[in-house]
Amino acid sequence: QVQLVESGGGVVQPGRSLRLSCAASGFTFSNIVMYWVRQAPGKGPEWVAVISSDGVTKYYTDSVKGRFTISRDNSNNTLYLQMNSLRNEDTAVYYCVRGGSRPIDPFDIWGQGTVVSVSS
Amino acid sequence: SYVLTQPPSVSVAPGQTARISCGGNNIGSKRVHWYQQKPGQAPVLVVYDDGDRPSGIPERFSGSKSGNTATLTINRVEVGDEADYYCQVWGINSDWVFGGGTKLTV
Repeated sequence: QVQLVESGGGVVQPGRSLRLSCAASGFTFSNIVMYWVRQAPGKGPEWVAVISSDGVTKYYTDSVKGRFTISRDNSNNTLYLQMNSLRNEDTAVYYCVRGGSRPIDPFDIWGQGTVVSVSS
Repeated sequence: SYVLTQPPSVSVAPGQTARISCGGNNIGSKRVHWYQQKPGQAPVLVVYDDGDRPSGIPERFSGSKSGNTATLTINRVEVGDEADYYCQVWGINSDWVFGGGTKLTV
């Protein structure tokens, strides 16, 4: 079945880096736009980054521009999020999310999430 | 950036109808999606493109739009529907926007 499994979360000090991974299965990964969405404790979801199916086009929410990098390996059906210069406010559950072929398409499949905690 | 406004909470008795609103400027021109999130779980898509349901979602869940407001309607509400509900659209600056969420209490 369609599945997204995130990994790589953990506790990290401010200013340090972390790399999240998402293993996709059950669908043709290379055809699909993929997203990272995060949810801070007690808050609603927040879109973080998006990458086109071919990995060429990427967009980021303003608060992570210049610090986070989204990438993908279509040969291994894996999505990544490199997070540098982490801040306390980056603390959240990070979800790998499947989109469609258009920006207006819904987020139809979500992973179980991986927890990132930034604290000194 | 684009803003979606939801009521913080809605309360209904079992068997009644719950209506959760989502307001946004010119929302009529956008495709609205709705997600259900239960405690400790990832969000689940329950309505997409204003009023379509993914496979496996009960017909009790429906969506509509009128003016600057989209509405998620849950008929014959069950205790198991108790959750947070979020609306979402593709915004105006290549961003994807969520509403603040509505806690449905049954």
